[in-house]
This record gives sequence, C-alpha cells and structure tokens, in this order.
Amino acid sequence: ILNVEQSPQSLHVQEGDSTNFTCSFPSSNFYALHWYRWETAKSPEALFVMTLNGDEKKKGRISATLNTKEGYSYLYIKGSQPEDSATYLCAFISAGYSTLTFGKGTMLLVSP
Amino acid sequence: GAGVSQSPSNKVTEKGKDVELRCDPISGHTALYWYRQSLGQGLEFLIYFQGNSAPDKSGLPSDRFSAERTGGSVSTLTIQRTQQEDSAVYLCASSFGQGSTDTQYFGPGTRLTVL
Repeated sequence: ILNVEQSPQSLHVQEGDSTNFTCSFPSSNFYALHWYRWETAKSPEALFVMTLNGDEKKKGRISATLNTKEGYSYLYIKGSQPEDSATYLCAFISAGYSTLTFGKGTMLLVSP
Repeated sequence: GAGVSQSPSNKVTEKGKDVELRCDPISGHTALYWYRQSLGQGLEFLIYFQGNSAPDKSGLPSDRFSAERTGGSVSTLTIQRTQQEDSAVYLCASSFGQGSTDTQYFGPGTRLTVL
C-alpha cells in the first residue's frame, strides 16, 4: 500500500498572503506526481504533472517543485486570492503502474 | 460535450438496494477511471479501463462492486446490495492515453447516500 501524505490538512490565510503545502510520497519507484485543485461543487481540475527530479512547474500564481530523491513536492501560491479557496490534491504513480494514489488533500480557505 | 459528465448528480437509496452510476468520458479518451471519496478520506481508486484491454479491478472493495464500459465509451458502475459504508462521492475521470503522465479529466461526481 502506497502512502501519500499531505500537510497541512487545512489552512486559512488572508487575501494577499503567500502559502505553500507539502506532498510526501515513496521515494522508490517514482514515476509521476500529479497536482489537482478541487473546488467545492466542481470537478477536480488538473494543475501539474511532474516527472523529473528538480522539476518546477508554474501556472499563473501557482507553482510546484519536485524532489524525487527525498520523496516530496511543494505547491506554492503567491498572493492568495479568495478564488484560490479549494482542496489541493496530490497523486503519485509508481513505475509500472497506471493508477493514481491520492493524498487526502490540503483544504485552503482564503479570506478577503 | 466538452467534459466528463456523470449521472445522477445525487442518489439516495436504501440499504440493500442496487444502484447504477453512469459516466460519459471525453470523446476520444481511451482511458477511464472510477474513484470514490468517503467522508474524511482521500480519493480511492476503484477500477481502470484502457482501450479494449481487460480492466484493472484491483481497487474494487468487494464483489458487490462491478463496472463495465460499453463500446469503449460510456461506463456504468454498479453497486449491488448497497451498505451504509458505500456512501461517498463517486468520481469518474478519463484521459487520452494510458494515464501515467496524461492529465486525467474528472467529472462532477455522483454523491451516493445509503440510508
């Protein structure tokens, strides 16, 4: 059983604050890491797919880094806005498999 | 349609009844996945279809759960003799390729409540 941990479980910040959360995954047999954003009453939306150690992805104010040797990825949000409020999920794929193992997510609330 | 659709959006059923949940993937996507999220838990993989290959059923929690994908497109997840612990949001996703590094596109989910 693969263990994918996300921290913190929840986070409440003020508009304009920058924030980051962590996804930890097994460092052996790494193949890919996915990040998703899941807003209430909507479908999970893909943010990034990361495959290379040291990779950094950026989409607007959101960026992510990947360390496959130590088994973690960080997601950063610069200048949080209320519309960033959502649950952020990471999902890990082992080499030789085609299915995602999800963490429980970090629930972000951004207050105006 | 442009995205993955699921029906019904909500389903309330009595313990012991059978339910069917439907997923329409994005046209042309060969891979289709079913997940569920129970209260307080992460998304849990249930079953994966890839093209005409035999499905990966390794995530199905019991033999009361089954799924089929007709014509390589629409999929139906069936839960027989539902139990209260089956209450969850059931999500379907599709991807263009094998899914390992392909983005999975999710539907809005079906919220199942078993009384």
